[in-house]
Amino acid sequence: KNEVEQSPQNLTAQEGEFITINCSYSVGISALHWLQQHPGGGIVSLFMLSSGKKKHGRLIATINIQEKHSSLHITASHPRDSAVYICAATGGGADGLTFGKGTHLIIQP
Amino acid sequence: NAGVMQNPRHLVRRRGQEARLRCSPMKGHSHVYWYRQLPEEGLKFMVYLQKENIIDESGMPKERFSAEFPKEGPSILRIQQVVRGDSAAYFCASSNSNQETQYFGPGTRLLVL
Repeated sequence: KNEVEQSPQNLTAQEGEFITINCSYSVGISALHWLQQHPGGGIVSLFMLSSGKKKHGRLIATINIQEKHSSLHITASHPRDSAVYICAATGGGADGLTFGKGTHLIIQP
Repeated sequence: NAGVMQNPRHLVRRRGQEARLRCSPMKGHSHVYWYRQLPEEGLKFMVYLQKENIIDESGMPKERFSAEFPKEGPSILRIQQVVRGDSAAYFCASSNSNQETQYFGPGTRLLVL
């Protein structure tokens, strides 16, 4: 059974700061997902990656398969980035996603 | 709107009643997943279905819960004889295959009184 751990659990930063959220998993996976859950509860899929690095706007996701570790970076953070960011894994024996507990991010103006 | 649709968005039931949650996947998607988010907890996998088949229901409680994805129409998550502990947000996601991005619906917030 895969275990997905995220850190930090809570993060408060000032507008403009560079943000890093970390995710580690315990067994081999087929893909790693980063999701964003808005204060209203909706969930948006940000990235799905199985190797290397992906970039979309100010968001960058990286994964190191050997170390079973992924990071989500936000450059030039903005208050509208405030949300819960969730790391999730597919594979490792499970059909559905296995989720981390999420990182509550608050960006203060 | 080609996104994943769920209805109702909010559902209130009294203990012992039945709750039926519906999910219409994105157009062209034949894979549907149901997840539950209990208050102050993370998301948990419940069940994975393809058209007319349950592929993996390992995350679903053995009693009172059932899911289907018929050939025509939406996927249904059914909870019989609801209890207060069933109060949660239930999210549906769909994908083109098990190896591709899952797109989430807005969720159904179930409150059991």
